[in-house]
Amino acid sequence: ETGVTQTPRHLVMGMTNKKSLKCEQHLGHNAMYWYKQSAKKPLELMFVYNFKEQTENNSVPSRFSPECPNSSHLFLHLHTLQPEDSALYLCASSQGTTNTGELFFGEGSRLTVL
Amino acid sequence: AQSVTQPDIHITVSEGASLELRCNYSYGATPYLFWYVQSPGQGLQLLLKYFSGDTLVQGIKGFEAEFKRSQSSFNLRKPSVHWSDAAEYFCAATSRSGYALNFGKGTSLLVTP
Repeated sequence: ETGVTQTPRHLVMGMTNKKSLKCEQHLGHNAMYWYKQSAKKPLELMFVYNFKEQTENNSVPSRFSPECPNSSHLFLHLHTLQPEDSALYLCASSQGTTNTGELFFGEGSRLTVL
Repeated sequence: AQSVTQPDIHITVSEGASLELRCNYSYGATPYLFWYVQSPGQGLQLLLKYFSGDTLVQGIKGFEAEFKRSQSSFNLRKPSVHWSDAAEYFCAATSRSGYALNFGKGTSLLVTP
């Protein structure tokens, strides 16, 4: 148990569906992240939020829309996805966005786009 | 461009044998360096990190890593591998002025009886 909880753990959706991934951290951290993990590729940083403000958007397509209502919750809204978006989406949190901080990861949401 | 390279995609070792996983980085200046482990169906867990000072870093679960500036490497080692060490291992780096971690592609470790 890392203190970062992601739901759902598995999601199958069609290209025209709209769904959301949820992440909640119970660690009192200020920063939250979305990473994409695809087979045979390095983890890709998607979004960073620090004190609820988005500080990084790593050229992510607009079909991915993040939302951070407070420092403990992070969502990733999905719409009109493509099959190549199938991947494991990992949420992480840290005490701050300084590079000396450890990232705490959730177990991930496995997304399959049909 | 800044990058992290893990040359070995898969490694197989016998239980009780020693282990070394390789990691090389390409940064203008020495970055902060990390090793994470991901067990099947799990998120990533930090094993150890290097910021400065002693080049031999001790981590959790009996792992250690050695920073070698001359080789731009940060290899992970364990003297005696246990079956529970079978997992995916990721090396990561971040510049001292930034915060986004650059991850390598990972090395999958298989432990045989």
